[in-house]
Amino acid sequence: GAVVSQHPSWVICKSGTSVKIECRSLDFQATTMFWYRQFPKQSLMLMATSNEGSKATYEQGVEKDKFLINHASLTLSTLTVTSAHPEDSSFYICSVSPHGNTEAFFGQGTRLTVV
Amino acid sequence: QKEVEQNSGPLSVPEGAIASLNCTYSDRGSQSFFWYRQYSGKSPELIMSIYSNGDKEDGRFTAQLNKASQYVSLLIRDSQPSDSATYLCAVTSTGGGNKLTFGTGTQLKVEL
Repeated sequence: GAVVSQHPSWVICKSGTSVKIECRSLDFQATTMFWYRQFPKQSLMLMATSNEGSKATYEQGVEKDKFLINHASLTLSTLTVTSAHPEDSSFYICSVSPHGNTEAFFGQGTRLTVV
Repeated sequence: QKEVEQNSGPLSVPEGAIASLNCTYSDRGSQSFFWYRQYSGKSPELIMSIYSNGDKEDGRFTAQLNKASQYVSLLIRDSQPSDSATYLCAVTSTGGGNKLTFGTGTQLKVEL
């Protein structure tokens, strides 16, 4: 498997502010990381693929200017939710797939609440 | 649109029974299939992966894949209360690299 650490576990922020979520691959170098969002009682929806040293690839319907992704090193990807609004409140989870395998291993997730 | 379908449940089984979870997918070109367990408020945890037709067993878990029917299932033998969780089926997409499409999950309740 792979060990993925995500921080923070939960965050509450005011509407209009920005929030940064970190995802770290602790035991291998990840050229690609994935960011998902999960609303209550719903499944995981892929938001974007984070690529080390290049631009992220966003899924259809995901605003790249609102969800800024930076993958500056082989062990760290960050997701910044800019100008957050209550409808952005969700569970954000990152994952890695080591060694080109398709098995995905997830971080602990970040519960974002925008008030 | 490529879809993964699961019965949302809840599926209730008595302790010690076999729980059977089912999943169908629409992308006939999918090659990799996974079952994840997700406890409430937590992130998904990989339970099983299966890549070829037939059965794959790991402890109390057995994954079954039938590509012709576009069907994958998970059997949990000797179900325990600690197995109570939501089980997510995930499938890779044709040409999607490592991208996974998830079903909405089946909630399993194992009752004492």
